[in-house]
Amino acid sequence: DGGITQSPKYLFRKEGQNVTLSCEQNLNHDAMYWYRQDPGQGLRLIYYSQIVNDFQKGDIAEGYSVSREKKESFPLTVTSAQKNPTAFYLCASSTRGVGYEQYFGPGTRLTVT
Amino acid sequence: AQKITQTQPGMFVQEKEAVTLDCTYDTSDPSYGLFWYKQPSSGEMIFLIYQGSYDQQNATEGRYSLNFQKARKSANLVISASQLGDSAMYFCAMRAYSGDMRFGAGTRLTVKP
Repeated sequence: DGGITQSPKYLFRKEGQNVTLSCEQNLNHDAMYWYRQDPGQGLRLIYYSQIVNDFQKGDIAEGYSVSREKKESFPLTVTSAQKNPTAFYLCASSTRGVGYEQYFGPGTRLTVT
Repeated sequence: AQKITQTQPGMFVQEKEAVTLDCTYDTSDPSYGLFWYKQPSSGEMIFLIYQGSYDQQNATEGRYSLNFQKARKSANLVISASQLGDSAMYFCAMRAYSGDMRFGAGTRLTVKP
């Protein structure tokens, strides 16, 4: 049963703490992506990776970090430098190439107080 | 960098009628893909339809069709015979040769009985 998993579904943290969001896929996709979505807004690209051990910044990378040590995994760390980390975070993966759609995980709702 | 614009924050349509959701884009890449996704209140992202920049014909998938006007850089989604279950957020997205995928701000569609 192929797909993308994100855990946990809900995450609560205190201000000043780093937190890592998990994203795993078993679709054999080369490309993986992280997006942030604020209430009633669109998806904003944080980071993306086209291949293992390589990743690029998106539009709002400040305060976030990623790693891509395995094809299946693309964890996102929300650091204490991120000023407004409370949001819905979506991970996606796809085959490389302009003609392939992204497959999305169920998302993680992060609340920082 | 590419840009996606959705100018309709909200749209209403009567059940069984057709509705058009607008999307314009901007890119300097000759090769790109255009996508539409649906996001119900549950938060999941559902892929609806794809159009390639070199495709001569407009894409269709069941009740969904994409009105692609390359010279105008528009890729409007047409939903025919609207159903109550079509009420959701709809996002237009573009994938460039560089591999990144960016989304518009979205349109909230409400289908009235």
